[in-house]
Amino acid sequence: EVQLVESGGGLVKPGGSLRLSCAASGFTFSSYSMNWVRQAPGKGLEWVSSISSSSSYIYYADSVKGRFTISRDNAKNSLYLQMNSLRAEDTAVYYCARDGVVAAAGPYYFDYWGQGTLVTVSS
Amino acid sequence: EIVMMQSPATLSVSPGERATLSCRASQSVSSNLAWYQQKPGQAPRLLIYGASTRATGIPARFSGSGSGTEFTLTISSLQSEDFAVYYCQQYNNWPPGITFGQGTRLEIK
Repeated sequence: EVQLVESGGGLVKPGGSLRLSCAASGFTFSSYSMNWVRQAPGKGLEWVSSISSSSSYIYYADSVKGRFTISRDNAKNSLYLQMNSLRAEDTAVYYCARDGVVAAAGPYYFDYWGQGTLVTVSS
Repeated sequence: EIVMMQSPATLSVSPGERATLSCRASQSVSSNLAWYQQKPGQAPRLLIYGASTRATGIPARFSGSGSGTEFTLTISSLQSEDFAVYYCQQYNNWPPGITFGQGTRLEIK
């Protein structure tokens, strides 16, 4: 069974930093691109970042470029999102999501999602 | 950036009836379109990819159609568990990235 479990969310002041993690199991993690997607309270979905299976291809939404860094450790079956210079508008539930296409440069569509971790940016 | 527009924002339908949800892209995305269902407090669930291919385990009452800029998600006979928010997402235009529609809330009439 595919499982994605996010952690690392919490309350942080504007300008602060936070590192999210996603632990993956039930599939060959090193074969899939992985993604972060966020959802502000009461709002829709926003793609944040994508990383290919071997970390060769990395993409960011314009809204986070230069502030967020995605990475992965295939030996640990883990995905990360380092978030710096956080703003109030970054407040959201952050989901880890697997790309639906094996060995793709990604992103495409997302076939498995974690339950999300809440990040609140407030003074 | 490709803008995805969903209509209507809210759709009221009775159980057992058919629901038709629309998604329009600001430019062609070919068939690179997915649909998701999200219930309160839950993560989104993939329903459809490639505009018309059902994801694993998705019931046959869910169907997708369209290509280019106009897409439709049809739920043939609504069950109680189908009342949720539905999002479309294009994955044709990357980089710079992919985009979601704003969602359609499907509620019980």
